[in-house]
Amino acid sequence: QVQLQESGPGLVKPSETLSLTCTVSGGSISSYYWSWIRQPPGKGLEWIGYIYYSGSTNYNPSLKSRVTISVDTSKNQFSLKLSSVTAADTAVYYCAREVVTLVPPGYFDYWGQGTLVTVSS
Amino acid sequence: AIQMTQSPSSLSASVGDRVTITCRASQGIRNDLGWYQQKPGKAPKLLIYAASSLQSGVPSRFSGSGSGTDFTLTISSLQPEDFATYYCLQDYNYPQTFGQGTKVEIK
Repeated sequence: QVQLQESGPGLVKPSETLSLTCTVSGGSISSYYWSWIRQPPGKGLEWIGYIYYSGSTNYNPSLKSRVTISVDTSKNQFSLKLSSVTAADTAVYYCAREVVTLVPPGYFDYWGQGTLVTVSS
Repeated sequence: AIQMTQSPSSLSASVGDRVTITCRASQGIRNDLGWYQQKPGKAPKLLIYAASSLQSGVPSRFSGSGSGTDFTLTISSLQPEDFATYYCLQDYNYPQTFGQGTKVEIK
């Protein structure tokens, strides 16, 4: 059974960089796409971006200038960095596995439990 | 980006009721649509992919239909554990976009 677990600071100061890591267990990170998705408190879901195990990425244009997603296949982990954060970036951040049948995009079959990141001084 | 509009935003229903939620895309997305269930404090859970394919382990009372711009999620007989918020997600192109959600509450 594949499991995903987010980790990282729960509190980030405005203008600083949010950094999160997702550790994949019960399966290999290879041959799949891996995404970050966020949900502000009481609001809907927003796709942030994905990374393929080979390292190719695609980001939401609304966040593209501030987002970097990277992968470490030796550790079965992938990571999110979001720079210049403001209070609007306060959200629960989820990592998820994306299943692509022919060409991306695909659907999300496994999700982490989510981690709340609050942006506040 | 493709806009996904769900209706209704919320509904009240009783156990045993048949419930239908709709999702409309701002442009045609073939059958590249999924439905997700989210309970408070939990991650979303995949119910349906490719508009009508039931994810492994999901009860058969859940079904999906539609293609192009109009899609439907149906719960044939609502159970107590089905009270949750439901989201559609288009995976036709990037950025993938979610509907705003439909909260199913107990009547």
